[in-house]
Amino acid sequence: EAGVAQSPRYKIIEKRQSVAFWCNPISGHATLYWYQQILGQGPKLLIQFQNNGVVDDSQLPKDRFSAERLKGVDSTLKIQPAKLEDSAVYLCASSLGGGPNTGELFFGEGSRLTVL
Amino acid sequence: GQQVMQIPQYQHVQEGEDFTTYCNSSTTLSNIQWYKQRPGGHPVFLIQLVKSGEVKKQKRLTFQFGEAKKNSSLHITATQTTDVGTYFCAGVGAGSYQLTFGKGTKLSVIP
Repeated sequence: EAGVAQSPRYKIIEKRQSVAFWCNPISGHATLYWYQQILGQGPKLLIQFQNNGVVDDSQLPKDRFSAERLKGVDSTLKIQPAKLEDSAVYLCASSLGGGPNTGELFFGEGSRLTVL
Repeated sequence: GQQVMQIPQYQHVQEGEDFTTYCNSSTTLSNIQWYKQRPGGHPVFLIQLVKSGEVKKQKRLTFQFGEAKKNSSLHITATQTTDVGTYFCAGVGAGSYQLTFGKGTKLSVIP
């Protein structure tokens, strides 16, 4: 079974530039998550989709971050304009279930962003 | 918002010693999950606990969920070098959909 695919694996940009990350979840998984993991910290949820609807985006900095999950399958996370503090690994995850009891989250390898 | 605290932040043990990490939530949880992240890797699911007072074992790993569903622990017996990594707990608050991760406990095992 193919895992969660993410691209690009690494990205270096200058502040105020824009960047986009792509995620393809495991086939059949209803729920897709974007987490931000700053070095030395735990993953922080940015946005959670169930099918193509947003379940939770309370911690997404909406002035600069946006995400979409068209057709309820793959997803894109965009940052515009980037700030130095956005340097982090952006992890995409998916789960078969939804709601409060999601079961196991399957994480992708992550996209490491460095903002100079 | 919901907060999940983990202690200790770091733990260095001699190979063969036991290891325990503790997780505490500011609110009652509907369930708690544990993940392991190897250096340079991504979080990998270990287990989910749902019931009050639940205890589950996986070989040398023992997971507990507190009676009040606000705390949890992971105990590793006789650590091995393959246990190296950061262990995260992650909880879903009652009535919430959001899985909130703790900051993790980084385990180093000295051979």
